[in-house]
Amino acid sequence: NAGVTQTPKFRVLKTGQSMTLLCAQDMNHEYMYWYRQDPGMGLRLIHYSVGEGTTAKGEVPDGYNVSRLKKQNFLLGLESAAPSQTSVYFCASTHSDYEQYFGPGTRLTVT
Amino acid sequence: AQSVTQLDSHVSVSEGTPVLLRCNYSSSYSPSLFWYVQHPNKGLQLLLKYTSAATLVKGINGFEAEFKKSETSFHLTKPSAHMSDAAEYFCVVSTYSSASKIIFGSGTRLSIRP
Repeated sequence: NAGVTQTPKFRVLKTGQSMTLLCAQDMNHEYMYWYRQDPGMGLRLIHYSVGEGTTAKGEVPDGYNVSRLKKQNFLLGLESAAPSQTSVYFCASTHSDYEQYFGPGTRLTVT
Repeated sequence: AQSVTQLDSHVSVSEGTPVLLRCNYSSSYSPSLFWYVQHPNKGLQLLLKYTSAATLVKGINGFEAEFKKSETSFHLTKPSAHMSDAAEYFCVVSTYSSASKIIFGSGTRLSIRP
């Protein structure tokens, strides 16, 4: 039982490049989330999903897209990376009681 | 509307002394409250949670928190700090009204002095 895994762990992009972050969970959770963590700001919700085939915007969705084609996977895409998107990205999944299980994070640097 | 405020951005205590990390919340509904811990370069791990059962909640590693509705607080305590407790701590509030209504505090960095 791996829990929540994230791929890749680190990435450096140049401005304007695109990339996809993969989140996978093996706990059969319905809800999945993408957050970004910046110093002094806690975690901010980018997008979330309440089930396979559904996605919704969170607090800071601009510049990101997501897809949930399979229940166990939640993809976060950056179409045209900007330096403001330099951050640590965390994926989480949960049962309905909202106790979240987090992945180890992806550290992204955009130059 | 929901919000959560962690009253201290940094707390420093000596090893073996008590720890108090303060959290106040605001919620239109009956909230669920959580404390998570994040060690350096790691993901977040659940310490404890309150979901309308007992108001005094015990968590892992000797931590506990008390839900006080009248004070809208959910402070995290530990009787005796250990060096391994040095980490970032996040207070989180959520309700059942919407999956997106999970609000994180800005975090409190706990340092432990030898």
